Amino acid sequence: SQKIEQNSEALNIQEGKTATLTCNYTNYSPAYLQWYRQDPGRGPVFLLLIRENEKEKRKERLKVTFDTTLKQSLFHITASQPADSATYLCALLRGDYKLSFGAGTTVTVRA
Amino acid sequence: DADVTQTPRNRITKTGKRIMLECSQTKGHDRMYWYRQDPGLGLRLIYYSFDVKDINKGEISDGYSVSRQAQAKFSLSLESAIPNQTALYFCATSDPKGRSNEQFFGPGTRLTVL
Repeated sequence: SQKIEQNSEALNIQEGKTATLTCNYTNYSPAYLQWYRQDPGRGPVFLLLIRENEKEKRKERLKVTFDTTLKQSLFHITASQPADSATYLCALLRGDYKLSFGAGTTVTVRA
Repeated sequence: DADVTQTPRNRITKTGKRIMLECSQTKGHDRMYWYRQDPGLGLRLIYYSFDVKDINKGEISDGYSVSRQAQAKFSLSLESAIPNQTALYFCATSDPKGRSNEQFFGPGTRLTVL
């Protein structure tokens, strides 16, 4: 069966450190992978997209990698700030052009 | 002003009642989606519509129906609500011509079925 798994545990890190989140998938061949941020009581907000032929993508303090051999994406928040505290979702585009979402990883950045 | 709005934001209802959740968007997107979110399960697709005349079932459509009244409006109905439909419901839109094909989400409706 198809699965998308993100870090099962919440991540607690000190301000200024790098947070690294994982997204592993099985039985998918996604054309691309997206990352979203969700704050409590709000809808997800798109952050980044990485295509299957791209190894790495950056946006400000965010970096995403995509390894189709390992079936894994890593999401890094560098120089983390308390304002980065949120839940981060990965989503894969399926062959029928719909997105499948992981359950999310909650990140808390301590000042 | 919000681009994707949902009403109501919160609703408590009883088992067996009919409920309608409404979604409106001002983004001019043809594609609209309804998801539910449960703790630990992530977002699951209920129904989606790629244009006004197109309605498709998602992964978990049983117990739900939808109506696409116009490009801007997509409603989700629970004909006879049951407690395991208690969840957070999100509407989303997307533009297939967009570079990132990102989805734009509404603020959500928290539904409790007693």
